Amino acid sequence: KNEVEQSPQNLTAQEGEFITINCSYSVGISALHWLQQHPGGGIVSLFMLSSGKKKHGRLIATINIQEKHSSLHITASHPRDSAVYICAVIWGETSGSRLTFGEGTQLTVNP
Amino acid sequence: DVKVTQSSRYLVKRTGEKVFLECVQDMDHENMFWYRQDPGLGLRLIYFSYDVKMKEKGDIPEGYSVSREKKERFSLILESASTNQTSMYLCASRLGLDGSFYNEQFFGPGTRLTVL
Repeated sequence: KNEVEQSPQNLTAQEGEFITINCSYSVGISALHWLQQHPGGGIVSLFMLSSGKKKHGRLIATINIQEKHSSLHITASHPRDSAVYICAVIWGETSGSRLTFGEGTQLTVNP
Repeated sequence: DVKVTQSSRYLVKRTGEKVFLECVQDMDHENMFWYRQDPGLGLRLIYFSYDVKMKEKGDIPEGYSVSREKKERFSLILESASTNQTSMYLCASRLGLDGSFYNEQFFGPGTRLTVL
C-alpha cells in the first residue's frame, strides 16, 4: 500500500517569506496532485505533475520520481495563502485509478 | 467551469437514522468519488464509481453504501448512522476517458455531518 507523508504538519510564516512544503511517498506512482483547502472545506487542485517542475504565479511544484519526493513552494507568501495544502498521489493507470492523500499541511501566513 | 454540488453544507442526525448525502456534477464526468476527512487522518476514499450503475469499494466502505443511477448524481447512504460517522464528507468528480489518471478531480464544498 502506498503511504504518503507530508512535512511539516503545521507551518507559520510572516508575509513575504518563501515557503516549502514536502511530500514523500513509498512506492511508484503515476502522478501527484497538490491541492489547497480553505477554511470551510472547499478543495481546489493547484497542480498535477508526473515529472519535473510546474509554476503558476507564486506557486512552484517539483517532483523527483527517483527519490519519491515532491515539494510545493510559495514565493512572497501572503495571508490569503493561509490554507491546508494536501499532497495526493495517483497509483494505477486505469480508469479506476484513484488518489491516496497525505494528512495535509496547515499553513498560516501572518501579516 | 466544472461545478460539483453537495446537497447540504451542514447536517445533524441522530444515531440509527438513515442518511442520504447527494452529489451532483454538471460536466458529464464518468468518475465520481466519496471521501471522508478527519483530523489526523486526511481524506480517505469511501466509494467510487467509474460509470453509471458501477461502484467500487474504497478504503473504508463499512457502514456506507452508494447509488449511481444517473451519470450526474452520486449518492452516499448511511444505512444506520453512528457517532463514529461524524465527519466532513467530500464528493469529487473526474473525466474518465483513457488516461484518466491524468485528469484532475474536482471537489464539492463538503458536508459536515454530525451524528448525535
